[in-house]
Amino acid sequence: DAGVIQSPRHEVTEMGQEVTLRCKPISGHDYLFWYRQTMMRGLELLIYFNNNVPIDDSGMPEDRFSAKMPNASFSTLKIQPSEPRDSAVYFCASSSGTGASYEQYFGPGTRLTVT
Amino acid sequence: GQSLEQPSEVTAVEGAIVQINCTYQTSGFYGLSWYQQHDGGAPTFLSYNALDGLEETGRFSSFLSRSDSYGYLLLQELQMKDSASYFCVGLYNQGGKLIFGQGTELSVKP
Repeated sequence: DAGVIQSPRHEVTEMGQEVTLRCKPISGHDYLFWYRQTMMRGLELLIYFNNNVPIDDSGMPEDRFSAKMPNASFSTLKIQPSEPRDSAVYFCASSSGTGASYEQYFGPGTRLTVT
Repeated sequence: GQSLEQPSEVTAVEGAIVQINCTYQTSGFYGLSWYQQHDGGAPTFLSYNALDGLEETGRFSSFLSRSDSYGYLLLQELQMKDSASYFCVGLYNQGGKLIFGQGTELSVKP
């Protein structure tokens, strides 16, 4: 398997613009997670899905952020409008939900810079 | 709440043994995992403890004590490539939701 795929790998945009991050989970995995990582706040869970249904979005910072999972092989995280404080690395991860550890497999991340 | 505490950084020399401690809040707690992240890379799974005791995987071992709400990751025969951030991660309320600690940056010196 190719692992979790994220695109783009790098994104530079201006404040106020819409940003869409994309993720393809590992085939057969039922759980999908979106995380944000910054030096100040560490690795934060934003939202996660089970069988394409959002289960917990309590980590989504505000209404500017939205996430969708239209099918089992694709998810998007959208920021509209973007602000400089959104600059971070955004990781997508997936998990099969089997096994006691719920081991998560992370994608390479999208490094977002908002100027 | 659901949070985990670990030291922010640890330094050790090549060939030595280092222990990274983690304490966690117990409400809804199921188990403790450890993830490794090299600079600029994706976090990767190292180990999981659901029960009290020691789990060994090669040079790495992980320990859990539920009565003390405490765990640790033990790295032996340190190598330069072990320089990375290590996260203790709590599995809470099942359902696949993981809560990450702030991470411990390990620097291995020659």
